[in-house]
Amino acid sequence: AQSVTQLGSHVSVSEGALVLLRCNYSSSVPPYLFWYVQYPNQGLQLLLKYTTGATLVKGINGFEAEFKKSETSFHLTKPSAHMSDAAEYFCAVSLNNNDMRFGAGTRLTVKP
Amino acid sequence: SQTIHQWPATLVQPVGSPLSLECTVEGTSNPNLYWYRQAAGRGLQLLFYSVGIGQISSEVPQNLSASRPQDRQFILSSKKLLLSDSGFYLCAWSSGADQPQHFGDGTRLSIL
Repeated sequence: AQSVTQLGSHVSVSEGALVLLRCNYSSSVPPYLFWYVQYPNQGLQLLLKYTTGATLVKGINGFEAEFKKSETSFHLTKPSAHMSDAAEYFCAVSLNNNDMRFGAGTRLTVKP
Repeated sequence: SQTIHQWPATLVQPVGSPLSLECTVEGTSNPNLYWYRQAAGRGLQLLFYSVGIGQISSEVPQNLSASRPQDRQFILSSKKLLLSDSGFYLCAWSSGADQPQHFGDGTRLSIL
């Protein structure tokens, strides 16, 4: 079965600094990979997804992620953090979508 | 466009009372439907999923149950709530294996 590990339950950056949220997955077959963002007391919102094709995926709000098969990673980045980026971020891996597995989440804090 | 509605937004129930949370999807047909629970500071735990009317798969044994009486309606129920049932419950839908899941705004359930 597939699984996903998010390294770092809390990440703090300064406004304008690079955001890097780490995600590693385990899967016996090529997976589908997703990043979601959750604001307080809300559901999850899709940031970006990787299914096939180009390994560098661009999403909403200036985020992007790169699928690296050799490293089994799908790290999320943003060149310049904004205060509004403060939220919880979840990486997810799916093989057939009836079994999407989520990481434990990374809480991003942005300092002014 | 597709929308997902989940209600109520918050709910406070005494231990031993029944539960009914409802989720409906608009703008699509025959969606895959999911119920997740999110404990404080934790990732998402898949509780149930459904690929069609009357078809329910349970991921975790517990005192909760799910039903899908109509194509775009998914209900989470319990006959007797436990303290451990407290949490944030999220409904989601998806249209295919390589497509992301789209989430409702969640129900925060507190058991007293």
